[in-house]
Amino acid sequence: AQRVTQPEKLLSVFKGAPVELKCNYSYSGSPELFWYVQYSRQRLQLLLRHISRESIKGFTADLNKGETSFHLKKPFAQEEDSAMYYCALRNQGAQKLVFGQGTRLTINP
Amino acid sequence: DARVTQTPRDKVTEMGQEVTMRCQPILGHNTVFWYRQTMMQGLELLAYFRNRAPLDDSGMPKDRFSAEMPDATLATLKIQPSEPRDSAVYFCASGLSGGGNEQFFGPGTRLTVL
Repeated sequence: AQRVTQPEKLLSVFKGAPVELKCNYSYSGSPELFWYVQYSRQRLQLLLRHISRESIKGFTADLNKGETSFHLKKPFAQEEDSAMYYCALRNQGAQKLVFGQGTRLTINP
Repeated sequence: DARVTQTPRDKVTEMGQEVTMRCQPILGHNTVFWYRQTMMQGLELLAYFRNRAPLDDSGMPKDRFSAEMPDATLATLKIQPSEPRDSAVYFCASGLSGGGNEQFFGPGTRLTVL
């Protein structure tokens, strides 16, 4: 069965510090992995996907198939990064997304 | 700027009452998803449609929840009767079928059942 685990419900770091949001998954096929972000009072939006291999707002995420992880990283956190972050998975070619429980990231000044 | 819209944005009701939530997908999108967001469970998929036909509603309690797409511009999620444990934020998302396509989310309906 597909499963996404985000072990931290809450994460708090200081501005300028590195940040890493953890995501582990279980899936037997070839998954697509995503990170979605929800800023305060805004709708959920796609942040990045593993197939794009891009950096968005300074965030990167590398798919590690050996460790079945897709951790989200940023070297220097900014206050505007405070938000709810969801890791999600879907089968390649499919539409259905399976989300983790989410991590609320707070960047302290 | 095309966006998914949802109504109402907030709904407070009493236990036992019927609740109907509406979603207007982005014009031209042929897949629609309903999610429920709670602190404990995070985001859970309730149901999704492709070309107005339900493809998967396994995440939805069948005894009280129902989801329909009367036409391509409207999706509805109904709870009857509502219970306090249904209190959550309900999101609708739409997209195009086919691998690699993004889902676009609506602003959500915050439901409180007293």
